[in-house]
Amino acid sequence: KNEVEQSPQNLTAQEGEFITINCSYSVGISALHWLQQHPGGGIVSLFMLSSGKKKHGRLIATINIQEKHSSLHITASHPRDSAVYICAVRSSSNYKLTFGKGTLLTVNP
Amino acid sequence: DVKVTQSSRYLVKRTGEKVFLECVQDMDHENMFWYRQDPGLGLRLIYFSYDVKMKEKGDIPEGYSVSREKKERFSLILESASTNQTSMYLCASSMLGGRNTGELFFGEGSRLTVL
Repeated sequence: KNEVEQSPQNLTAQEGEFITINCSYSVGISALHWLQQHPGGGIVSLFMLSSGKKKHGRLIATINIQEKHSSLHITASHPRDSAVYICAVRSSSNYKLTFGKGTLLTVNP
Repeated sequence: DVKVTQSSRYLVKRTGEKVFLECVQDMDHENMFWYRQDPGLGLRLIYFSYDVKMKEKGDIPEGYSVSREKKERFSLILESASTNQTSMYLCASSMLGGRNTGELFFGEGSRLTVL
């Protein structure tokens, strides 16, 4: 069974700080997703990656396949980045996604 | 932009009622999903459909059924709603094939309360 663990569960930062959220998983995967959910809102896909690194604006996602680990970084954090960030992995053996429980990020002005 | 639209943002139903949750996507995606999201449990897959009239059970299908008569529409049905089905329900779609295979697009969610 694929387990997806995120850390930390909760994170509070001051505006401008560099943020890192971690995701570890236990089985071989074909892809890893980082998702963002604002309070009361729907979920937005930030990244889908299977190797290396991707960057979009102030967000950077990296994955290390050998170590079964991914990180989401936010540079120059802003209060509008406050949201739940969710890691999800697609097993290499089937279509199903396994989701982490999410990291609640609060960025204070 | 891809749009996934769920028919109702908030619903309140009584125990035993039949409930329909509708989801429509406008990008011709093959795959569509229904998830429920509960505090402390994260997202859990209820049902998945990879084509019209095709469906597969997810991790928690009990008490639910689905219908996919047209490619753009995926419906979740609660035949007899129970209080433990109070939850946030999220629909998602994704493309099959091509560079963006598997990228997920979610609807805004439907928060169902069963009294």
